[in-house]
Amino acid sequence: NAGVMQNPRHLVRRRGQEARLRCSPMKGHSHVYWYRQLPEEGLKFMVYLQKENIIDESGMPKERFSAEFPKEGPSILRIQQVVRGDSAAYFCASSPEHQSYEQYFGPGTRLTVT
Amino acid sequence: AQSVAQPEDQVNVAEGNPLTVKCTYSVSGNPYLFWYVQYPNRGLQFLLKYITGDNLVKGSYGFEAEFNKSQTSFHLKKPSALVSDSALYFCAVKGNQGGKLIFGQGTELSVKP
Repeated sequence: NAGVMQNPRHLVRRRGQEARLRCSPMKGHSHVYWYRQLPEEGLKFMVYLQKENIIDESGMPKERFSAEFPKEGPSILRIQQVVRGDSAAYFCASSPEHQSYEQYFGPGTRLTVT
Repeated sequence: AQSVAQPEDQVNVAEGNPLTVKCTYSVSGNPYLFWYVQYPNRGLQFLLKYITGDNLVKGSYGFEAEFNKSQTSFHLKKPSALVSDSALYFCAVKGNQGGKLIFGQGTELSVKP
């Protein structure tokens, strides 16, 4: 059973460009979470999705950031018009149905904005 | 508001000695508590969790954690540290409002030979 997959692993964008980060959850997992790890900081929750639904986006910046988890295909975290402050490691995690289950994390996408 | 505190940025231990990484939490209702480990440039690996039941939880790689409701703590422990245990450790809590994890700031564990 493959783990959570994220791509690309490293992404370099110039200021103003768009960044698209992809996450494929573990097989059988229908819940996806995105977290951001800024330099010298811990992990901060961004958004929680189930198939075709955003459940909790309380951690998402109000502008430029969006996320989706379509019926088919990976979850996408999209950052429009990136700025240097967006440089961070973005982690995706997945879990099965039950709330008490642990979340399994992908290797992360390291975004660098130049 | 839910929160997690890891009071030590760094813990230094000699190989073979016991180690403790501290964690306290604040959450309404019954908490679900987790420990994760992160090696450099890697994702987080799940170590153990407390949901209910026995206050002493055993996890991967010989780690265990003790849930203490009165002190709202969930300290991570290992009887005998290995150099390969050196990594960044995160405590996290999941409240009863939904699925997100609230993480502490992390504790860098350094085990010297």
